[in-house]
Amino acid sequence: QVQLVQSGAEVKKPGASVKVSCKSSGYTFSDHYIHWVRQAPGQGLEWMGWINPESGGTESAQKFHGRVTMTRDTSLSEVYMELRGLRYDDTAVFYCVRIRRGAFDYWGQGTLVTVSS
Amino acid sequence: DIQLTQSPSSVSASVGDRVTITCRASQGLSNWFAWYQQKPGKAPKLLIYDAHSLHAGVPSRFSGDGSGTEFTLTITSLQPEDVGTYFCQQLNNFPFTFGPGTKVEIK
Repeated sequence: QVQLVQSGAEVKKPGASVKVSCKSSGYTFSDHYIHWVRQAPGQGLEWMGWINPESGGTESAQKFHGRVTMTRDTSLSEVYMELRGLRYDDTAVFYCVRIRRGAFDYWGQGTLVTVSS
Repeated sequence: DIQLTQSPSSVSASVGDRVTITCRASQGLSNWFAWYQQKPGKAPKLLIYDAHSLHAGVPSRFSGDGSGTEFTLTITSLQPEDVGTYFCQQLNNFPFTFGPGTKVEIK
């Protein structure tokens, strides 16, 4: 069965960076783009960007330009999202999601990133 | 960016009731439109894709409809396990955007 398994919770200081991993299984890794979505506590869902696991090509939302990097390791079927220059309002649960048929059909379990001094 | 609004923001209904949630877009969309259900502390789950197609394993009491700027999600007979927050999403243009959510509770 399709699974996306993410790395564990992180606590970071303002200005630091965080790198979240997402391991795919149960399907051909290169067949589906992976997107990243975040959700601040008690808030809605915010799309961050995508990575093409086959080519490594990426696109991110304008608000994250220059702060986010998405990469992949095809040998491990993993994608990574690094967010730099963390601010208090970056505290959120970050999700990796698979896209298929124009929708996010499988979601990782989420990774809580807490920015605190 | 395409803005999505949802109404109502919350609904409290009885078991067996019909519940309809509406999502309106700031500009016309093709059918690259989805609905998700999220339970507290869990990741969202896909319910509907292509505006009206039921995702595998989703009960048939859920249905989606609409086109252009107005889309609806209907639960024909509300069940206790349907409690949660429902989000709409457009995947026509980047950035993909989500509605603010509708909280569904049992009366």
